[in-house]
Amino acid sequence: AQSVSQHNHHVILSEAASLELGCNYSYGGTVNLFWYVQYPGQHLQLLLKYFSGDPLVKGIKGFEAEFIKSKFSFNLRKPSVQWSDTAEYFCAVLRGGGSQGNLIFGKGTKLSVKP
Amino acid sequence: EAGVVQSPRYKIIEKKQPVAFWCNPISGHNTLYWYLQNLGQGPELLIRYENEEAVDDSQLPKDRFSAERLKGVDSTLKIQPAELGDSAVYLCASSLSSGGAVQFFGPGTRLTVL
Repeated sequence: AQSVSQHNHHVILSEAASLELGCNYSYGGTVNLFWYVQYPGQHLQLLLKYFSGDPLVKGIKGFEAEFIKSKFSFNLRKPSVQWSDTAEYFCAVLRGGGSQGNLIFGKGTKLSVKP
Repeated sequence: EAGVVQSPRYKIIEKKQPVAFWCNPISGHNTLYWYLQNLGQGPELLIRYENEEAVDDSQLPKDRFSAERLKGVDSTLKIQPAELGDSAVYLCASSLSSGGAVQFFGPGTRLTVL
């Protein structure tokens, strides 16, 4: 069965530290990849997405992610985190378009940034 | 532009009682999704609608869960009767279409079954 793995359950960083959150998926075909973020008390919001083209995608608030097909990975990065980045981050995979429009989410990684 | 609207935001019921959740998607979005999110987990799809047709309900526990989207706009998800294990957040999302379109999520309904 297709799955999405987020290796870190809870990450604690100080402001200005660099961030990398891991995401691996098990599906071998064409995929669309997403990172969603959920700030405390708010709904899930799209951070960035990869459909095709340049495997390094840039999202909102200085986040970026790199699709490495050979590693089935789509890790999220930010060079310098801020206290306002405290949130839960979800990686999600959408199998190759058409009628298979179901997102598979990872379990999420909670990021706590200390001021 | 208004986002996905859900109500109620919170619901507390006793087990064996019925409960219903309502969702109004973003205007013009043909595809509507209901997800279940347990504590410490990512959302899991329950059902996906294309307009008024349920095109994927394979993960919906049909013995107690039902959903409808009669006019292809807003949707209702019902549980009858509720069980303790149904305590979770129920999320609604919508997209212009399926097959790669970005999904926009509502705030969710947090259900507590006592």
